[in-house]
Amino acid sequence: DAGVIQSPRHEVTEMGQEVTLRCKPISGHDYLFWYRQTMMRGLELLIYFNNNVPIDDSGMPEDRFSAKMPNASFSTLKIQPSEPRDSAVYFCASSSKAGSRWDGYTFGSGTRLTVV
Amino acid sequence: GDSVTQMEGPVTLSEEAFLTINCTYTATGYPSLFWYVQYPGEGLQLLLKATKADDKGSNKGFEATYRKETTSFHLEKGSVQVSDSAVYFCALVSGGSNYKLTFGKGTLLTVNP
Repeated sequence: DAGVIQSPRHEVTEMGQEVTLRCKPISGHDYLFWYRQTMMRGLELLIYFNNNVPIDDSGMPEDRFSAKMPNASFSTLKIQPSEPRDSAVYFCASSSKAGSRWDGYTFGSGTRLTVV
Repeated sequence: GDSVTQMEGPVTLSEEAFLTINCTYTATGYPSLFWYVQYPGEGLQLLLKATKADDKGSNKGFEATYRKETTSFHLEKGSVQVSDSAVYFCALVSGGSNYKLTFGKGTLLTVNP
């Protein structure tokens, strides 16, 4: 399995522009999570999905952030308009529970976003 | 709510030194506990886990024991290598149907030759 695939790996954009981050989870995983990592705040859970349905979006910073999961193999995180304080590494992770066994998450390599 | 507290870093050791990174938690019910490792420029990888009290998780020479009485899950390694330099995260998930991981802030480990 190729693991969780995120694109792009790096994104540099100007303030006010729209940014779209993409994630392909591991096939068969039914949970998908979006995290943001910064030096100041560490890892923050933004939103997670179960079977393509958003379950908890309480971590989404504000209305400028939105996430979708149109099918089991694809999710997007969109920031519109972007601001310099959105600069961070954004991680996608996926997970599956098989019976009583649960191995935690598999993370993607992240997208490093810089808003100038 | 659930929370994880890790010792503050950074931790700097010489090769072959003994490593301990402390982790304590607060959770409802009986959580499962995890250690994740993040190498520079990469995502987090599962290092080890324990799902019930007194379980010992181990991998790549690292160990951690689930201590319910002290609500702790300290990470240890007897002899660290330069290649162990990374950020280590302690995490938990509460029991039941909530699969949301709660992470500690991470501890940066640097191992010098």
